[in-house]
Amino acid sequence: AQTVTQSQPEMSVQEAETVTLSCTYDTSESDYYLFWYKQPPSRQMILVIRQEAYKQQNATENRFSVNFQKAAKSFSLKISDSQLGDAAMYFCAYRWNTGNQFYFGTGTSLTVIP
Amino acid sequence: GAGVSQTPSNKVTEKGKYVELRCDPISGHTALYWYRQSLGQGPEFLIYFQGTGAADDSGLPNDRFFAVRPEGSVSTLKIQRTERGDSAVYLCASSLKGTLSSGANVLTFGAGSRLTVL
Repeated sequence: AQTVTQSQPEMSVQEAETVTLSCTYDTSESDYYLFWYKQPPSRQMILVIRQEAYKQQNATENRFSVNFQKAAKSFSLKISDSQLGDAAMYFCAYRWNTGNQFYFGTGTSLTVIP
Repeated sequence: GAGVSQTPSNKVTEKGKYVELRCDPISGHTALYWYRQSLGQGPEFLIYFQGTGAADDSGLPNDRFFAVRPEGSVSTLKIQRTERGDSAVYLCASSLKGTLSSGANVLTFGAGSRLTVL
């Protein structure tokens, strides 16, 4: 069974600083996708960044980057130059390449301190 | 439409009542998902449609839950004889089928329907 674990229920960061959110997953598959979604108080989940497992290069989207360690089954999210608008719940998600389901972790609540 | 639309935004009902939650996906998205998110938890898979058919309904918790997508676009999640434990936010998402590099296989979510069963 595929599971996604986010071991940090809450994190905080000073504005303009860098924070890293952790995610590990369990799978026996070799071809899959990984995602980070952001959920602000408005409830709408927004895609932050995505990674294909066969790509060794870590994905980057502006201030957001990932550290993908396939052997360790780790997929952490780094937010640089944190902004007040980054405050939200962040969910890590996994999807097997030919599967249908997206599996989500329990989330990390990020607070940005002005 | 431009985004995934879900109605109602909030629904309060009494135990034992029947409710319907509607999802209008992005135009052209053939894949549609329903997820349930309880307080403090991540989204939990309920059902997946590819076109009109339910390709995977393994996440539906019991036979009180049912979902349809008769024309391959709008979907309705139906809950019979609601229980207090059904209280949650019900999220709908849609996606294209294809390669990740093309932008497919990425879920676009609606804002959810918050169901409260008293």
